Amino acid sequence: KNQVEQSPQSLIILEGKNCTLQCNYTVSPFSNLRWYKQDTGRGPVSLTIMTFSENTKSNGRYTATLDADTKQSSLHITASQLSDSASYICVVNPSGGSYIPTFGRGTSLIVHP
Amino acid sequence: ETGVTQTPRHLVMGMTNKKSLKCEQHLGHNAMYWYKQSAKKPLELMFVYSLEERVENNSVPSRFSPECPNSSHLFLHLHTLQPEDSALYLCASSQGGTASSYEQYFGPGTRLTVT
Repeated sequence: KNQVEQSPQSLIILEGKNCTLQCNYTVSPFSNLRWYKQDTGRGPVSLTIMTFSENTKSNGRYTATLDADTKQSSLHITASQLSDSASYICVVNPSGGSYIPTFGRGTSLIVHP
Repeated sequence: ETGVTQTPRHLVMGMTNKKSLKCEQHLGHNAMYWYKQSAKKPLELMFVYSLEERVENNSVPSRFSPECPNSSHLFLHLHTLQPEDSALYLCASSQGGTASSYEQYFGPGTRLTVT
């Protein structure tokens, strides 16, 4: 069964600090992995997409990594801001024509001043 | 209006009611999706409409019925729902025809409560 596990479930940090969110998956065959940010009361917004051959990708203060061998991904947030408070969702898409992505439960991040 | 819009934003309905959720995308995309987001659970893909083809998650109950009259509009018709159907229903659209290759743009969602 395809699964995506995210950790931690929730995280509280002080403004300006760095943090790393984890995503482990069992989806196979693998096409790509996306990280989404979902603010309260809004729909998710894509931060990065990682394909099989990519190890690291950055989007401003967000840096995603992918280890396709161990089926692990991380999202590192540098110099956190209050606006980073949100839920971060890892989504793994299969290859082979399937339309059904597998979503993680998300990590709830709270940034305190 | 820009992006993906959804109406209503909030809906309370009884188990015997019939209601519909509406989604409209202003991005020129040709694929649209319905997702269910329940508390403490992962997002669940319900339906995909791509180039007039419909793909559905086989685990979705028949009390949910989608309709896609054109590439810009998507509806989710609801009837005889159960309390466990209470959730945030998200609509999304993408440029291409598969969920995996293209970035999906989400609407703000409809918060549904079934009493």
